[in-house]
Parts: sequence; C-alpha cells; structure tokens
Amino acid sequence: EAQVTQNPRYLITVTGKKLTVTCSQNMNHEYMSWYRQDPGLGLRQIYYSMNVEVTDKGDVPEGYKVSRKEKRNFPLILESPSPNQTSLYFCASAQGAKNIQYFGAGTRLSVL
Amino acid sequence: QKEVEQNSGPLSVPEGAIASLNCTYSDRGSQSFFWYRQYSGKSPELIMSIYSNGDKEDGRFTAQLNKASQYVSLLIRDSQPSDSATYLCAVMAYTGGFKTIFGAGTRLFVKA
Repeated sequence: EAQVTQNPRYLITVTGKKLTVTCSQNMNHEYMSWYRQDPGLGLRQIYYSMNVEVTDKGDVPEGYKVSRKEKRNFPLILESPSPNQTSLYFCASAQGAKNIQYFGAGTRLSVL
Repeated sequence: QKEVEQNSGPLSVPEGAIASLNCTYSDRGSQSFFWYRQYSGKSPELIMSIYSNGDKEDGRFTAQLNKASQYVSLLIRDSQPSDSATYLCAVMAYTGGFKTIFGAGTRLFVKA
C-alpha cells in the first residue's frame, strides 16, 4: 500500500529536550515536505526537499532542522523544542513538479 | 510575503445544493493549484488539481482557475453531508524554489 508514515503520532515533551519526528514514504517520490498546522493559520511549510541531499526552507523554518540522506526518509529535528512549537505536524511527499502531495497521518506534538 | 486567502466560513449549504469555495493568491508566478479536503483530526487529501486557465471537472467537483484575476475556485455539486469538512486551497510557484502555500481553509457544513 502506497503511504507516508510518520512516527510518533503523539508526543509530549519538555522544553529543550531534542526530538526527532520520522517520515518515510514508499512511493519513490522525489519531493518531501514538512508542515505545521495551527488553528486559524492553516498549513505552513517548514522545510521541503526536492531530492536526496537537496533541502530548502519553507515559510517557518526557525527552530527546525531536516535531512534527506535517503530518498524515502525525511526526518524533522527539533534541537531545542519550545512551547511555541506545540502543533500538529504533517509530512507529505509528491512525485515530480506537479506536486500532488500525499500526507502522513500527522504528529501531534506538545512541548511543556 | 506570498499569500493565499480563503474565506474561513463556515459555509453552510443544504443537501443537494451547490457549494462554492473561493481562493485568491498573490504570487503571479504560481503555476500549480490544488484543493485538499481535511476532515477533523485527519490529514489533508487531494480533491482536485488544476494547472491552466479554465474549468476542470471530476465527478461532482469542478475547479476553476483564472490566472489573470489570481483566483481559483471549487464547486461541489449535489452536496452531501459527507462533504462537510475543511477545504484547503494550495498554491505552488516554481520561481525562487518550490514552496507550497496553503490558505487557512474554508469550513463547509452540508445540512441533511
């Protein structure tokens, strides 16, 4: 089954404790992206990757890191989480420039 | 700042009616346009994509694009209660990278 898999689905952590949210896709997609979704603000792009070792900032990259060492994986790293990073996070992947994006189930993160 | 604007709603229509959802965007370099549907607590799923001016129909859904007016719309014919969701407009420009900008979404309620 074609899918984008995020883990964990739910995470509660404390300020400053490094965490990683994993994202994996099995569709051989070149394009992958991370979004955060907050009430009233919709989806905002954090980082995206056009291919292995090619990443670029979205609209809200501050406080986040990503890496793309393999085509299928695109982890999101929060080196020192803060409460304002409490949000619902989605990973997505797409094939080619037309970029119909397929989304993972989401990760709900709470930073205390 | 590139923007995508949607009326937040809620938009309420009776079952069987036509629901009309609208979206405007600010970046004239935008080339790909998408409508996603998001049920509460779920991830976005693609409804329609459109890339050139005019109408594109798929079943009960019609997307309309007018690049001169920087306007994209989604019509849902014969609306059903199962169509009740938040509809997200997304725009991608190929200039300066491949960012995807989402609108904040329009909540649609279809009354039985």
